[in-house]
Amino acid sequence: GENVEQHPSTLSVQEGDSAVIKCTYSDSASNYFPWYKQELGKGPQLIIDIRSNVGEKKDQRIAVTLNKTAKHFSLHITETQPEDSAVYFCAASSGTASKLTFGTGTRLQVTL
Amino acid sequence: KAGVTQTPRYLIKTRGQQVTLSCSPISGHRSVSWYQQTPGQGLQFLFEYFSETQRNKGNFPGRFSGRQFSNSRSEMNVSTLELGDSALYLCASSQRGGGPLYEQYFGPGTRLTVT
Repeated sequence: GENVEQHPSTLSVQEGDSAVIKCTYSDSASNYFPWYKQELGKGPQLIIDIRSNVGEKKDQRIAVTLNKTAKHFSLHITETQPEDSAVYFCAASSGTASKLTFGTGTRLQVTL
Repeated sequence: KAGVTQTPRYLIKTRGQQVTLSCSPISGHRSVSWYQQTPGQGLQFLFEYFSETQRNKGNFPGRFSGRQFSNSRSEMNVSTLELGDSALYLCASSQRGGGPLYEQYFGPGTRLTVT
């Protein structure tokens, strides 16, 4: 089955700096890669996603890149703010299946 | 539009008991998936229901089951609870399923504690 690895497990940046979280996947059939943000006491919130026919996608301060050849994708957050502090999860799925395979999460802390 | 709702939000049960959790998807969404979140195993897929039929299943024992009603609301049941079943149970809804066509949106979860 699919295996998704995520790094780093923790990331501390100063407000205004950029943050990058990286994930690799094992199943070459994977074609959908969402990113979720989970705050304390809440469920995961979809923040951005990318399909396998696209190399990069941006939404304001957030961007995701996908390298299908290397089987890795990354989340980039620019101009970080304290409210970006949360746990971020990458995930992957293949075909039209609903099953998402998640990475182990990255705890991002944005300090003032 | 209201988001995914899950009830109850918190639950404490004793080993050996059974529990039923409920999920109401976003209006118009017909697919409901369930996930278990624990510190040790992370987020793991339990099963998905679409049009009242289980369409996909993860690697969990038969003690974990679910169902979906005609209004797309879903319930999951865990029988003969074990201490290791303590977790946050998350429900996700999408219009018709998953993959690149339909995003999945999560509810706030039900925190189950087994003592």
